[in-house]
Amino acid sequence: EAQVTQNPRYLITVTGKKLTVTCSQNMNHEYMSWYRQDPGLGLRQIYYSMNVEVTDKGDVPEGYKVSRKEKRNFPLILESPSPNQTSLYFCASRDQQQEWAEAFFGQGTRLTVV
Amino acid sequence: AQSVTQLDSHVSVSEGTPVLLRCNYSSSYSPSLFWYVQHPNKGLQLLLKYTSAATLVKGINGFEAEFKKSETSFHLTKPSAHMSDAAEYFCVVSDRYTGKLIFGQGTTLQVKP
Repeated sequence: EAQVTQNPRYLITVTGKKLTVTCSQNMNHEYMSWYRQDPGLGLRQIYYSMNVEVTDKGDVPEGYKVSRKEKRNFPLILESPSPNQTSLYFCASRDQQQEWAEAFFGQGTRLTVV
Repeated sequence: AQSVTQLDSHVSVSEGTPVLLRCNYSSSYSPSLFWYVQHPNKGLQLLLKYTSAATLVKGINGFEAEFKKSETSFHLTKPSAHMSDAAEYFCVVSDRYTGKLIFGQGTTLQVKP
């Protein structure tokens, strides 16, 4: 079954404590990305990756890092989380060779930074 | 630059009545457009997509959307709402060069009994 798996689903942390949200896909997609969802703003792209070792900033990259050492994994790293990073996060992958290709999304990670 | 605008942040309908969720797009080339649905505490699911093969696109659960180039619109419709349709809906355009998906702000659909 085609799947994007994110972990954890829920996370409460304190300001400044480094955390990583994992994302894994089983469809051999080259393109992966991270989004955050905030009320009234839709989903905004944080970072994306077009292939292994190729990453680039999206619209809201400040305070985040990513890495792409293997095709299937694309972790999101918050080195020093702050309360304004409290949000719902989604990882997605798609076949970038087709402009109309469907994106597959993980179940989301609800992060609260206190 | 490409963008999408969802014209209503909240739509409320009665069960059994038609649904219309409005989306306008802006693109310098023929766009790839999508509608995604997000049920409470769930991920996003593809409803339908426009790929230039046909202007009227049929999706899952009885939803349809019509691409109108002259109006730069891609409105989502359903003839008869069901309680299970209550969710948030996103209109999305794909950037052909980067693969990036650009989301509208979302429309929350409420279905009243």
